[in-house]
Amino acid sequence: DAKTTQPPSMDCAEGRAANLPCNHSTISGNEYVYWYRQIHSQGPQYIIHGLKNNETNEMASLIITEDRKSSTLILPHATLRDTAVYYCIVRVSNTGNQFYFGTGTSLTVIP
Amino acid sequence: NAGVTQTPKFQVLKTGQSMTLQCAQDMNHNSMYWYRQDPGMGLRLIYYSASEGTTDKGEVPNGYNVSRLNKREFSLRLESAAPSQTSVYFCASRATGSPYEQYFGPGTRLTVT
Repeated sequence: DAKTTQPPSMDCAEGRAANLPCNHSTISGNEYVYWYRQIHSQGPQYIIHGLKNNETNEMASLIITEDRKSSTLILPHATLRDTAVYYCIVRVSNTGNQFYFGTGTSLTVIP
Repeated sequence: NAGVTQTPKFQVLKTGQSMTLQCAQDMNHNSMYWYRQDPGMGLRLIYYSASEGTTDKGEVPNGYNVSRLNKREFSLRLESAAPSQTSVYFCASRATGSPYEQYFGPGTRLTVT
């Protein structure tokens, strides 16, 4: 599975959009981009995933560049409860079992 | 539907002691995982089980053994605990349909003195 690069930390004002970048320049054609988050000391929680097209669900939006070498997770209206570590993971969707979480981005939402 | 459960929540061991961390899921998932997370670090995969009766090593398997007892349960055993194994241990299972996401348990906080 391709490795990812994320900034170690970011701040965002409450109510603003939080844009979390991820580089995955070695991604293969059949690898998906997954995002998880981990709220203090809890187990990680799935947010969203995508292959080529942009995706949106009730939690967030995922923007993937045309060359698929990078992506951005967007939390449209960040709240204090969105303060967490966000992990970008690249892997084949329904096969393979290795998940490489890396160290993620620690997002702090500021009142 | 409890999801993924782990026991115990907290444990303190002395160096050389052994213990088993228990994990169970009630979502009928085939694949299960054990991770460790050290302070300020991401999760690292210890072992995983793609299906009942199979287990495979992850990134950091040394010092651990696992048992996939049945489809629901996946246990992690430390035969002779070392201070380097002080960590938070998370168990997870993976959905069998798209998007094949992982569901995590609440974690076990283990301290080895």
